[in-house]
Amino acid sequence: QKEVEQNSGPLSVPEGAIASLNCTYSDRVSQSFFWYRQYSGKSPELIMSIYSNGDKEDGRFTAQLNKASQYVSLLIRDSQPSDSATYLCAVHTSGGYQKVTFGTGTKLQVIP
Amino acid sequence: NAGVMQNPRHLVRRRGQEARLRCSPVKGHSHVYWYRQLPEEGLKFMVYLQKENIIDESGMPKERFSAEFPKEGPSILRIQQVVRGDSAAYFCASSPGGDWITEAFFGQGTRLTVV
Repeated sequence: QKEVEQNSGPLSVPEGAIASLNCTYSDRVSQSFFWYRQYSGKSPELIMSIYSNGDKEDGRFTAQLNKASQYVSLLIRDSQPSDSATYLCAVHTSGGYQKVTFGTGTKLQVIP
Repeated sequence: NAGVMQNPRHLVRRRGQEARLRCSPVKGHSHVYWYRQLPEEGLKFMVYLQKENIIDESGMPKERFSAEFPKEGPSILRIQQVVRGDSAAYFCASSPGGDWITEAFFGQGTRLTVV
């Protein structure tokens, strides 16, 4: 089992709709969870972080964490064509030092 | 983040040559991480370094790959005798040593092409 799993997509949503991106992880003691956005040919850009169970909202983005189910998701409301990118889920794994494990990413396409 | 500088941005090497990738962290950052991204794949952790120390190199291939972060100067990822399978984007991130989430930034990456 991969440490961090994501559906590779592509996930296609119409402009204005809600895009839902999902991620599961295997290490039960993981504490920190991140979502990065990566445009084609560019470097990853941090867009959301979440540490505790529940929802965290930032503008059009909402991160959801369920540690019991080892599940983290990202909702993008009012999706825009500019949101079209690959979204990487990242998890701070245990080990006593700063090591972050990334999923393979979900490609999102927002159709105008 | 513009603060993490990687060079070169693009590097072409013939099979068997050496590739040297440089990463200058944000000023004041003493922790550097290298990740590799193969085409259409996610980021794979390679190595985590602090100044003059390798903390975790569990993601580095056992042969041909090495990394350093000297007291002075940039961090270097060195790939000897490159093969076509080494073609990828190599990203560096730096942090001052505290919480990754608030303080780590990625450079723009070096895209290595082995011909």
